[in-house]
Amino acid sequence: DAGITQSPRHKVTETGTPVTLRCHQTENHRYMYWYRQDPGHGLRLIHYSYGVKDTDKGEVSDGYSVSRSKTEDFLLTLESATSSQTSVYFCAIRGYLGYTFGSGTRLTVV
Amino acid sequence: QQQVKQSPQSLIVQKGGISIINCAYENTAFDYFPWYQQFPGKGPALLIAIRPDVSEKKEGRFTISFNKSAKQFSLHIMDSQPGDSATYFCAASQETSGSRLTFGEGTQLTVNP
Repeated sequence: DAGITQSPRHKVTETGTPVTLRCHQTENHRYMYWYRQDPGHGLRLIHYSYGVKDTDKGEVSDGYSVSRSKTEDFLLTLESATSSQTSVYFCAIRGYLGYTFGSGTRLTVV
Repeated sequence: QQQVKQSPQSLIVQKGGISIINCAYENTAFDYFPWYQQFPGKGPALLIAIRPDVSEKKEGRFTISFNKSAKQFSLHIMDSQPGDSATYFCAASQETSGSRLTFGEGTQLTVNP
């Protein structure tokens, strides 16, 4: 998607290991968001950021932390991955025309 | 707490028919109601959005109907095409609280040729 990239696109990790997902934007937007998508639940907000070093929790933040040291990068860290965190993770930016989502990271915790 | 409830979970429509997806919300402070379309392996993409000061918005074959008193809004896809087969999400947000979108559960739409 134009202006926003997520990495990696796929990852398999073991239970108990830390994992970091990266979201990079080229649009210089202030607001960035991390969502997870699971069948039957739609997309649920994990954390969001309203500026460099300014972050807040969403509805499913337990087990996750975020950091935003530069406007363009928003990192999501699973401190100790669990099988319940197997999901597709989407980053989004809020622009003038609404949200733009990245292509997602499919994370599998085994 | 599910603040936005979406139905149906899945929908099968014949080509040329009308697809209707419904959403209901609880938080009366919501003031922005978008619909997103998602194809497999892709992120959701904004389809159409409405604010509560209007009751209907139309863009091409896509129309949002909004009923503020009932706290409901719906997406109508006219002349549905096989290329419309995708997952559709309604969402809602309050612009003064960081514009955090709350999503419905999603509707898997299949349009048969």
